[in-house]
Amino acid sequence: EDQVTQSPEALRLQEGESSSLNCSYTVSGLRGLFWYRQDPGKGPEFLFTLYSAGEEKEKERLKATLTKKESFLHITAPKPEDSATYLCAVDRGNDYKLSFGAGTTVTVRA
Amino acid sequence: SQTIHQWPATLVQPVGSPLSLECTVEGTSNPNLYWYRQAAGRGLQLLFYSVGIGQISSEVPQNLSASRPQDRQFILSSKKLLLSDSGFYLCAWSTGVDEKLFFGSGTQLSVL
Repeated sequence: EDQVTQSPEALRLQEGESSSLNCSYTVSGLRGLFWYRQDPGKGPEFLFTLYSAGEEKEKERLKATLTKKESFLHITAPKPEDSATYLCAVDRGNDYKLSFGAGTTVTVRA
Repeated sequence: SQTIHQWPATLVQPVGSPLSLECTVEGTSNPNLYWYRQAAGRGLQLLFYSVGIGQISSEVPQNLSASRPQDRQFILSSKKLLLSDSGFYLCAWSTGVDEKLFFGSGTQLSVL
């Protein structure tokens, strides 16, 4: 059975304190790995898609990387507005479904 | 540009009452449509998906049903709500080319 595990569950950072979130997966035939940001009471907002090991994507203070077994979301010099829950999901490519992790809730204090 | 509308934003319903949540997508044709449920502190659980009008696939046997009466309209229903149906419900769409999902703003359902 496909599994997507995110760690840590929660992360508290001081403004400017860089850190990384982990998404490990056990999927045969990965077609794509997605990162989403979710604010409280809102729907997830798409951030990145990664397709192959070694690929990297960047957006403002966020950088996503992918290996054959895991993905990292690096937050560089975070600001309070980066506080959110970050979700990762994998697409096996043989159906129409994504498998989501439980998310990492990031809180950035000023 | 494409937009997705989901309503209502919040809903409080008594046990045993019916449910109808609606979702519409604008700016695209023949999207794949999805209903997810999110429990507090847990990942998104896929409930239903549809690749075309009248085509519904159910992922989890439960008290809910879905319908797609029009190309860009997706409805989640229940005849009699249970306490366990409480949760945050999300509608989403994708192009079908890849499975990058675009989510609606969600409905917080409380069954009392």
